[in-house]
Amino acid sequence: GAVVSQHPSWVICKSGTSVKIECRSLDFQATTMFWYRQFPKQSLMLMATSNEGSKATYEQGVEKDKFLINHASLTLSTLTVTSAHPEDSSFYICSARDWTDRDTQYFGPGTRLTVL
Amino acid sequence: AQSVTQPDIHITVSEGASLELRCNYSYGATPYLFWYVQSPGQGLQLLLKYFSGDTLVQGIKGFEAEFKRSQSSFNLRKPSVHWSDAAEYFCAVGGSSGGYNKLIFGAGTRLAVHP
Repeated sequence: GAVVSQHPSWVICKSGTSVKIECRSLDFQATTMFWYRQFPKQSLMLMATSNEGSKATYEQGVEKDKFLINHASLTLSTLTVTSAHPEDSSFYICSARDWTDRDTQYFGPGTRLTVL
Repeated sequence: AQSVTQPDIHITVSEGASLELRCNYSYGATPYLFWYVQSPGQGLQLLLKYFSGDTLVQGIKGFEAEFKRSQSSFNLRKPSVHWSDAAEYFCAVGGSSGGYNKLIFGAGTRLAVHP
């Protein structure tokens, strides 16, 4: 199956700083990637849809100025958490849509963010 | 409204026993259906998917699922569970109705396996 990577796998930062998370599709091109947030023992919450070459589409209630998304190429999308606060601590997972595989979403391994 | 229901939050089975995880969906168009598995601290791995055709689909790790349109169900099964199957399982539905083929996830079922 298709492979999606995320970097870093975990990050600890101080409150007020910004953190960038990368999501890469390694063996296929992805015009669309998705960013999810997952709280402990809960399901995935879709934050935004990232489209190559255009602005991301954010879900209701997600602050677009807080969570900046850039999809600059067909294999890379980045999520930047700006001015991070402890309540932003969470597990962030990306997925990439493989249009050659009926738009199946393949997921990255996730990034654990801890804001002190 | 589009939704996915996984009625069982937590299931415990003995190693070697059979397994069935339930999934019911509500979707306005032709659904694409998926099962993903998540180990602790990991991302989601695709187990299997259904788009059309044969309603019994085979996946990785010995899993299979059956699509039943009349029951709006897509239950996951495995004839003999291994200790390594202990994980969180998510059912998801997607398709053209969701825009950009967004997935709608169920709440998940946590599987524990007793030796």
